[in-house]
Amino acid sequence: GDSVTQMEGPVTLSEEAFLTINCTYTATGYPSLFWYVQYPGEGLQLLLKATKADDKGSNKGFEATYRKETTSFHLEKGSVQVSDSAVYFCALSDFLTSYDKVIFGPGTSLSVIP
Amino acid sequence: DAGVTQSPTHLIKTRGQQVTLRCSPKSGHDTVSWYQQALGQGPQFIFQYYEEEERQRGNFPDRFSGHQFPNYSSELNVNALLLGDSALYLCASLPGGSSYNEQFFGPGTRLTVL
Repeated sequence: GDSVTQMEGPVTLSEEAFLTINCTYTATGYPSLFWYVQYPGEGLQLLLKATKADDKGSNKGFEATYRKETTSFHLEKGSVQVSDSAVYFCALSDFLTSYDKVIFGPGTSLSVIP
Repeated sequence: DAGVTQSPTHLIKTRGQQVTLRCSPKSGHDTVSWYQQALGQGPQFIFQYYEEEERQRGNFPDRFSGHQFPNYSSELNVNALLLGDSALYLCASLPGGSSYNEQFFGPGTRLTVL
């Protein structure tokens, strides 16, 4: 079945450092890809999404490009802030094969220190 | 727009008891999905309701059941609680019947089983 793999954490960075969180997926169809963020003690928020190959999702300085050839959707940010400390989940969903059921990766915890 | 709301926020139960969690979807959404997020893990899909019917189900035992009401709100019921059922239970809503829709998540209900 469909699945998502992402880099293990925790990741600790200094403020203004460059962030990359790797994500790869396995899917039988043509899924949409997402990055969700979960701040401490809160629910999930959609950070960005891409619905087809070569689409780039972006939000709040974060970017990810849907790469079908490498089945990847890596999250990047050029300069992280302390407020970016959270857990990041890569995810996919496919309406045609599973009615938009979201399949999540295990999450990557990010801590940004001043 | 209130977004997705869930109640209660926190719940403590003992093994063997039964629990009911509630979810009100975002205005205009008719599809509700439930997810279980164990500590330190990504959310796992439990089931999805559309037009008051269970449309698909994840790998959860029959102890987990649900219901959707005519106003699209939903309940998750868990019988014969086990310690392993302790988790954050997330509800998500989206407009059904079309693809590539973003799911909106509620803040979750934290269930602790003692």
